[in-house]
Amino acid sequence: QSALTQPPSASGSPGQSVTISCTGTSSDVGGHNYVSWYQQHPGKAPKLMIYEVNKRPSGVPDRFSASKSGNTASLTVSGLQAEDEADYYCCSYAGNNDYVFGTGTKVTVL
Amino acid sequence: QVHLVQSGPEVKKPGSSVKVSCKTSGGTFRTYPISWVRQAPGQGLEWMGGIIPIFGTTYYAQNFQGRVTITTDESTSTAYMEVNSLRSDDTAVYYCARDLAEAAHDAFDIWGQGTMVTVSS
Repeated sequence: QSALTQPPSASGSPGQSVTISCTGTSSDVGGHNYVSWYQQHPGKAPKLMIYEVNKRPSGVPDRFSASKSGNTASLTVSGLQAEDEADYYCCSYAGNNDYVFGTGTKVTVL
Repeated sequence: QVHLVQSGPEVKKPGSSVKVSCKTSGGTFRTYPISWVRQAPGQGLEWMGGIIPIFGTTYYAQNFQGRVTITTDESTSTAYMEVNSLRSDDTAVYYCARDLAEAAHDAFDIWGQGTMVTVSS
């Protein structure tokens, strides 16, 4: 399985929105509704932000939203805050007990 | 509240093996799949494989098939991940992560703190 493709970086000013794409294939993103997104601050373990394409776990602010179209999933962070500065990774179930992560996107709050 | 607690950092020689543990506390162990994910320094996340304790079913990413073994000990609610024939590019932080769905595949909602494995001669 090849890693899902994400842009290396994205940025926005406080209060603005930023959208990160995650492109895979019909075998992973396009073929399953088990796309998830993780936030990782330096030196910390990843944190689940979105599961099953667009569902937020309890405690995740509704500023975080996500969607999927075909083989591409997207994560949008609205009303950017300083604490949103982190690395973000998408992940998709790829069938046959297999998962694949994205290449990661560093979000900078200007 | 469920926690995953991993074993401490390791320094290993090339060609040797390492076994990392991941103990579940505060919740059900046997019905939730546990996966292992690694992150080389400055790099992204890489899924290695997983296990469903209640079935003993293991599954591995193609890149790790034959070199990684994942096991569990239900008596101590602990999962283990062993990597053989270590190389310098196995230097990474290794995370265990629990799936949020029982006996199924969905997303990783609980993560261990990570274990740094350094491979150096």
